[in-house]
Amino acid sequence: NAGVTQTPKFRILKIGQSMTLQCTQDMNHNYMYWYRQDPGMGLKLIYYSVGAGITDKGEVPNGYNVSRSTTEDFPLRLELAAPSQTSVYFCASRPGRDNRANQPQHFGDGTRLSIL
Amino acid sequence: DAKTTQPTSMDCAEGRAANLPCNHSTISGNEYVYWYRQIHSQGPQYIIHGLKNNETNEMASLIITEDRKSSTLILPHATLRDTAVYYCIVMSNTGKLIFGQGTTLQVKP
Repeated sequence: NAGVTQTPKFRILKIGQSMTLQCTQDMNHNYMYWYRQDPGMGLKLIYYSVGAGITDKGEVPNGYNVSRSTTEDFPLRLELAAPSQTSVYFCASRPGRDNRANQPQHFGDGTRLSIL
Repeated sequence: DAKTTQPTSMDCAEGRAANLPCNHSTISGNEYVYWYRQIHSQGPQYIIHGLKNNETNEMASLIITEDRKSSTLILPHATLRDTAVYYCIVMSNTGKLIFGQGTTLQVKP
C-alpha cells in the first residue's frame, strides 16, 4: 500500500513548455486534490475531483488543467509554463464516502517545479 | 469555509508539552477542526481531527472548547523531530482544506 505517489519529484521547465504532473493513489479513494505551495506560504487548492469523470476548480485554477478518467489517477497539466508557476505541487486523496468532513486527506511527497 | 487564526511561531523545550492554540470563531456546527503538520518541504502529515469532543491518538491530543470557537493541539512530550509548521484547518462537507500560514514550532534541546 504505497498511498499517494507523485512523479516526477523534481523538474525544470523552460517558459512556454508543457508538462503533466502525475498523481496516483492505491487506497480506492473517491476524492483527489491538487495544491500548490509557494515559499513561506500555506497550500492553495488548484483543482479537485469527487470521483472519476468529475472535476472542479479550487482557489487558483488558472494555467492548469486536470482530468480524472480512473479512480486511481489524477494528472495535472501545465500547458504554457510561466515563471509564476514555479512552486511545489502536492496531490492528496480522501475516501469521500458517508460523512465527508470526517475523513482526513492523505498527501503525496510533492513535485518541485521550476520554470526558467 | 471558516477561517482560523494561529500564532506565527512558538518555541518548546524538548521533553515538555507543546500547546498550540487556534481560533476559529466562525466555525459552523457541522465543520471539523483538523490539524496537519509539515516538516521541511515534505507533504503535510495528518495529525488529528475533531468535531466537539476532545480527541487523542498516538501523536497528539486535541482540546476543543465548549463553544467550539477555539482549540488546542497538545504534543505531550515534544522531541526535536516535532519541529515543523503546524496547520489548524476547519473542514466543511465540501472536503476542501483552506490552509493558512500555520504556526512554526521550534523544539529546542
